[in-house]
Amino acid sequence: DSGVTQTPKHLITATGQRVTLRCSPRSGDLSVYWYQQSLDQGLQFLIQYYNGEERAKGNILERFSAQQFPDLHSELNLSSLELGDSALYFCASSVTGDLGETQYFGPGTRLLVL
Amino acid sequence: QKEVEQDPGPLSVPEGAIVSLNCTYSNSAFQYFMWYRQYSRKGPELLMYTYSSGNKEDGRFTAQVDKSSKYISLFIRDSQPSDSATYLCAMSVAGGYQKVTFGTGTKLQVIP
Repeated sequence: DSGVTQTPKHLITATGQRVTLRCSPRSGDLSVYWYQQSLDQGLQFLIQYYNGEERAKGNILERFSAQQFPDLHSELNLSSLELGDSALYFCASSVTGDLGETQYFGPGTRLLVL
Repeated sequence: QKEVEQDPGPLSVPEGAIVSLNCTYSNSAFQYFMWYRQYSRKGPELLMYTYSSGNKEDGRFTAQVDKSSKYISLFIRDSQPSDSATYLCAMSVAGGYQKVTFGTGTKLQVIP
């Protein structure tokens, strides 16, 4: 158990809908990362937050947005969902978000868009 | 061309074999190199982390970085069925908050 929690574990929704994925980092970790993992694209970095502020942006679509709240939990919002958004979404956390620091991954949220 | 290339496998080896997993990359600015292990339907877990070139050993695992060839390797000695998983290489540049770039992963099966 990494100490990172993600809810929900599974999510089934329809195209065009909007969903929110939630992540609670390990106690003491200030940085949160979001990743998308699909069969064809592998693991893709989406976005990083540190203590409430966006720090790095990867391959995140404009239909997706995220934020980190004062209590350090984070939410990833996915809107206008498409079939291709079906994937496993991971959250990870680390203490400082510094380069090379170990990131601890949560169990993931499996999203299925029908 | 992808920044990080990794053979997807699958790679099947008998128990006790030495396993060699490899990644090549194109960005010469990469300084931090990592290997993750991911069991089916689970999140990745960090196995090894190295900075710049050289070798690092941890138990049955050895990570090797050759920056001149832009090539990194993970060796697993005395492989066990419990090593069966997907192994992802990952790397990032130095200089601040930067994203980590992952390889697509190599699926390993260790046969008893």
